[in-house]
Amino acid sequence: ETGVTQSPTHLIKTRGQQVTLRCSSQSGHNTVSWYQQALGQGPQFIFQYYREEENGRGNFPPRFSGLQFPNYSSELNVNALELDDSALYLCASSLSRAETQYFGPGTRLLVL
Amino acid sequence: AQTVTQSQPEMSVQEAETVTLSCTYDTSESDYYLFWYKQPPSRQMILVIRQEAYKQQNATENRFSVNFQKAAKSFSLKISDSQLGDAAMYFCAYRSADNNNDMRFGAGTRLTVKP
Repeated sequence: ETGVTQSPTHLIKTRGQQVTLRCSSQSGHNTVSWYQQALGQGPQFIFQYYREEENGRGNFPPRFSGLQFPNYSSELNVNALELDDSALYLCASSLSRAETQYFGPGTRLLVL
Repeated sequence: AQTVTQSQPEMSVQEAETVTLSCTYDTSESDYYLFWYKQPPSRQMILVIRQEAYKQQNATENRFSVNFQKAAKSFSLKISDSQLGDAAMYFCAYRSADNNNDMRFGAGTRLTVKP
């Protein structure tokens, strides 16, 4: 059974650019959650997708958007990148909304 | 809003000894879940243990156990017979049973294991 995977592992962008991060959920999981983890801090909830619909959002601006596909994989898009967007972006999948979340290895984004 | 506090930024333990990591949380809800996750240098968050608030019995997973004090809103993690591979950042996390999409994390405790 394959766990949660994320791509790319590392990414460097410049301020103002747009970025797309990808996440493949664990087999059988229909829920994907995205988190931003700044250096030295705990993860912060961005949003969650359940069966292709957004199912809750944290305190992030609209330039953070997402998508979930019929196979339950997911994308996180960030427009108009800012320096403060530099962070580790974690994706977690779960069997359903109320089940335990299992994390991928993350994508390290650096905005210059 | 629910908050999670980990008051120990760093902890150290001798190999084979026992260490306890502290976590407190603030909530007005009665039904929720608590978690401990481990994040080694590889960055991947690994679930260590999970506790349902309605269960009075403390969760245990091999060398890992929790002391869940609901009234005190405390959720500490005890690691017995510490191993070098236990060295990592440990995060305590809270999730409401009603609003189950938003998991709140503490700032983490960095655990060092000395040989």
